[in-house]
Amino acid sequence: KAGVTQTPRYLIKTRGQQVTLSCSPISGHRSVSWYQQTPGQGLQFLFEYFSETQRNKGNFPGRFSGRQFSNSRSEMNVSTLELGDSALYLCASSPAVAGTGELFFGEGSRLTVL
Amino acid sequence: SQQGEEDPQALSIQEGENATMNCSYKTSINNLQWYRQNSGRGLVHLILIRSNEREKHSGRLRVTLDTSKKSSSLLITASRAADTASYFCATDGGYTGNQFYFGTGTSLTVIP
Repeated sequence: KAGVTQTPRYLIKTRGQQVTLSCSPISGHRSVSWYQQTPGQGLQFLFEYFSETQRNKGNFPGRFSGRQFSNSRSEMNVSTLELGDSALYLCASSPAVAGTGELFFGEGSRLTVL
Repeated sequence: SQQGEEDPQALSIQEGENATMNCSYKTSINNLQWYRQNSGRGLVHLILIRSNEREKHSGRLRVTLDTSKKSSSLLITASRAADTASYFCATDGGYTGNQFYFGTGTSLTVIP
């Protein structure tokens, strides 16, 4: 089975721009969640989607949004980029409906905002 | 913040020694998980322990959980150079759904 695939792996943007990151979960996994990892704040939960519905959302401003498609693929979007948005964005999929199973992570998308 | 804390922040040991890292969290939980992250890459699941379990083993890994103290420990026995990585605990914060709160991580270096 193919693992979780995130694209692009690396990208550089300037302040004020927007960015869209993509995540393809493991086949059969309907839960997709997103995390932001920075040296200062560590790993922080952004949001989780299950069957195309946002089920949970972390404490991030409205500039951070996401969606899930019928094939479980997910995208997240960050608008009006700020320097502090520079981070590794990790996507994870899970076969579990509730938080009773493991998360399978992709390799991440490393965003640099200049 | 529901983020947990781990200690030590960094740990350096010789190959063959045991490594112990601790995690403290803030809320009630349904389960606690441990993950490993090699430098700048995705996380890999190691082990899950449920709130009604006190200890769990998987290969060279031993995890304990003390819900009264809101703490967990991960023991890696007979460490290898390939164990060099950052280790994170993650809790579900008592919520349903797949949202997890990760600790600050322990950076483990195993010297060959």
